[in-house]
Order: sequence, then C-alpha cells, then structure tokens
Amino acid sequence: EVQLVESGGGLVQPGGSLRLSCTASGFTLSVHYMDWVRQAPGKGLEWVGRSRNKPNGYTTDYATSVKGRFTISRDDSQNSLYLQMNSLKTEDTAVYYCTRVLHGDWFDPWGQGTLVAVSS
Amino acid sequence: DTQMTQSPSSLSASVGDRVIITCRASHYISNQLNWYQQRPGRAPKLLMYAASNLQGGVPSRFSGSGSGTDFTLTISTLQPEDFATYYCQQSYSVPLTFGGGTKVEIK
Repeated sequence: EVQLVESGGGLVQPGGSLRLSCTASGFTLSVHYMDWVRQAPGKGLEWVGRSRNKPNGYTTDYATSVKGRFTISRDDSQNSLYLQMNSLKTEDTAVYYCTRVLHGDWFDPWGQGTLVAVSS
Repeated sequence: DTQMTQSPSSLSASVGDRVIITCRASHYISNQLNWYQQRPGRAPKLLMYAASNLQGGVPSRFSGSGSGTDFTLTISTLQPEDFATYYCQQSYSVPLTFGGGTKVEIK
C-alpha cells in the first residue's frame, strides 16, 4: 500500500525552528517529485514547496511566503522527505501535509498531516 | 502567480441533487487542473486530474471538464458521503495554487 506518514509537528515559539519528516512506504521516493502543502486552521490549502527527483537534480522550489526560511530535503535511502522550518511566524501555524507528485502535476497520495503551532 | 477562483464558496444541496462547482484561473493553464475532496479532519483526496480524468476508485458520478481558464466539477447525483469541501489546483506553473474551496453542505 502506498502511504505517507508525517511527524515532527508541535508547539514552537515565534522565531523558532522545527523539522518535519515524511516517511514513504509502498513506493520508491527517488523516482518522484515530492511536495509539502499546508492548511491553516479553518482555511484552504496552500502549496509550500517542491523537491524534484534524482533525474532532475533534487532541485527545489518554494512559495514566496516561506522562501529563505524553509528548506526541503530528502534521504532517498531512508525513503524520507524533510521540511526544515526556521524563523517561524505565527502565520505558519497549520497542518502540514506531504504528498507525492504524479506526472509532475497532481498530488496522490497525501499523508495524514502534522500540526505545527507557532505561539508564544 | 496564477490565481484560482472557485464558486460558489459554499452551497447547500440535498441527496440526489446535481451539483456544479466552477474554477477559474487568472492565466491560461491548458488542462493542468486537478480536483480534490476533503472531508472534515481528513487529508485531501485526489478526485480528478488533468481536468477530466477520474482518479481510480472515484465514483463515476464525479466528472470534470474545461480547458484554458474555465473548469467545472460536476457531481451528477449527490450522495451522503459527498458532503465535503472541494478544491481545484493548477499545476501549469510554479507556484502551484489552489482555489479557495467549495463547501458542500446538507440542505
């Protein structure tokens, strides 16, 4: 079964850091682009960023709102994706989902999400 | 950035109704438009990809159409399990963007 499981969420103070992990099973991570998407409480979905696959040099892209603060990395040997979040702001409070990108276009599946709360 | 505008933002409907949700892109996106369903407290789930292709396992009462800038998601006969929020998403250009969502509620 293809599955994604996120971990690492929690409560952090403004200006702090947090690292999220996403462990994949049922497929080989290195073949796929992988994205992070977040959802603030009661709000819609917001794309956070992308990690391209090995043939595409593991290049990354980020939403303007997180560029320079967030970094996506991966460890294909562990079939895991990461999101390093620095200089966190209250507006970063959200459930963070990792998702596999198919054919460079659509997201399937999604993990169950992990909640990040930024508050003093 | 390509803005995605969904309408309506919410609707009330009865089981058995036909429901149409529209999504408009601020720029041309070809057919690179996907639809997701999200039930309360759950992760989003892919319904349709490339505007009109039904994801495996999704009931045939769901259909999608459109290209360019205007798209629709149609639920032909609303079922109890279809009460959820629906999001469109463009994959034509980075940053990828989502519509604001359409919440389908029970009348």
